[in-house]
Amino acid sequence: KAGVTQTPRYLIKTRGQQVTLSCSPISGHRSVSWYQQTPGQGLQFLFEYFSETQRNKGNFPGRFSGRQFSNSRSEMNVSTLELGDSALYLCASSLADRAGEKLFFGSGTQLSVL
Amino acid sequence: QKEVEQDPGPLSVPEGAIVSLNCTYSNSAFQYFMWYRQYSRKGPELLMYTYSSGNKEDGRFTAQVDKSSKYISLFIRDSQPSDSATYLCAMRGAGGTSYGKLTFGQGTILTVHP
Repeated sequence: KAGVTQTPRYLIKTRGQQVTLSCSPISGHRSVSWYQQTPGQGLQFLFEYFSETQRNKGNFPGRFSGRQFSNSRSEMNVSTLELGDSALYLCASSLADRAGEKLFFGSGTQLSVL
Repeated sequence: QKEVEQDPGPLSVPEGAIVSLNCTYSNSAFQYFMWYRQYSRKGPELLMYTYSSGNKEDGRFTAQVDKSSKYISLFIRDSQPSDSATYLCAMRGAGGTSYGKLTFGQGTILTVHP
């Protein structure tokens, strides 16, 4: 069974640009969550989607947005990029909608903002 | 103060040693406790998953949760060089606000030398 797939693996952007990251969850998983990982702040929760609906959101500005498609694949968008957005962006999927479900992570997209 | 505190190390041990990793937390709503292992340039990999207080063993790994003290531990027996990685504790509550949301420690960098 394939794991969580994130594309692209690496991205280089300049300040002010926008970026879209993609995530394909494990087959059968319907919940997708996004995290930002930086050396200073560690792993921080961005948002979670289930059945194309955002059910939960972390404390990030509105420049960070996402969506989920009917096949459970998800995209995350960051607009008006800032230097501080440089980070590893991780997607995680889980099987069902119970709060105790296990999360499985992809390898992430490394975003560098110049 | 962070909700989850984890000593970042680094921790260096000889092969075969017993490793003890720990986290403390402040949010009494946390009910699910996890340990993830993260290799360089990879996403976190779920190692152990525990609900509420108690012990759980899986091969060379043992996870302990003491909710009364708000303290969780991971023990690695007979450590191997392949165990060298960053170990992250994570936890979540049970309500709707916990969908997809894990709160992570900063991670402990472990090196097992031959």
